[in-house]
Amino acid sequence: EAGVAQSPRYKIIEKRQSVAFWCNPISGHATLYWYQQILGQGPKLLIQFQNNGVVDDSQLPKDRFSAERLKGVDSTLKIQPAKLEDSAVYLCASSSVRGTGELFFGEGSRLTVL
Amino acid sequence: QKEVEQDPGPLSVPEGAIVSLNCTYSNSAFQYFMWYRQYSRKGPELLMYTYSSGNKEDGRFTAQVDKSSKYISLFIRDSQPSDSATYLCAMTFYGQNFVFGPGTRLSVLP
Repeated sequence: EAGVAQSPRYKIIEKRQSVAFWCNPISGHATLYWYQQILGQGPKLLIQFQNNGVVDDSQLPKDRFSAERLKGVDSTLKIQPAKLEDSAVYLCASSSVRGTGELFFGEGSRLTVL
Repeated sequence: QKEVEQDPGPLSVPEGAIVSLNCTYSNSAFQYFMWYRQYSRKGPELLMYTYSSGNKEDGRFTAQVDKSSKYISLFIRDSQPSDSATYLCAMTFYGQNFVFGPGTRLSVLP
């Protein structure tokens, strides 16, 4: 079974530029999450999708971050314009059964904002 | 008070030692408790999950949950250098509001 795929693995941009990250979850997983992990911290939820609907985006900085999950499969997370404090690893995770905590993570996309 | 607290370490132990990792939390509504292992430059991978209070054992790993104290633990027996990683506790209620601790960095020295 293929795992959660993310790209790009690494991205370096200057502040005020834009960036987009892509995630393909495990086949059949209805729930998809985007987490932000700053160095030395635990992952922080940005947005949760159930199929192609948003379940929780309360911690998404909506003035600069946006995410979509068209057709309930792939998802894209965009940052525009980027700030220095957005430097982090952006982790995508998916799960098939709500409530059991079995999140499957991708390897992450590491963003450096200069 | 942070929602989930965890000693960040780093924790260094000799090979073969018993390791104890702990988290405390403040929200009594959490029902599912998990431990994830994260190697450097990799995504977290699920090690153990427990529903409500109690113990769960899987090989060299034992997870304990004490809901009355809002305290969870992960024990690693016969620790190996390959166990060197960051260990994240996480908790949720019914698939919503997953909250992670900051992680404890563990080094097992050969």
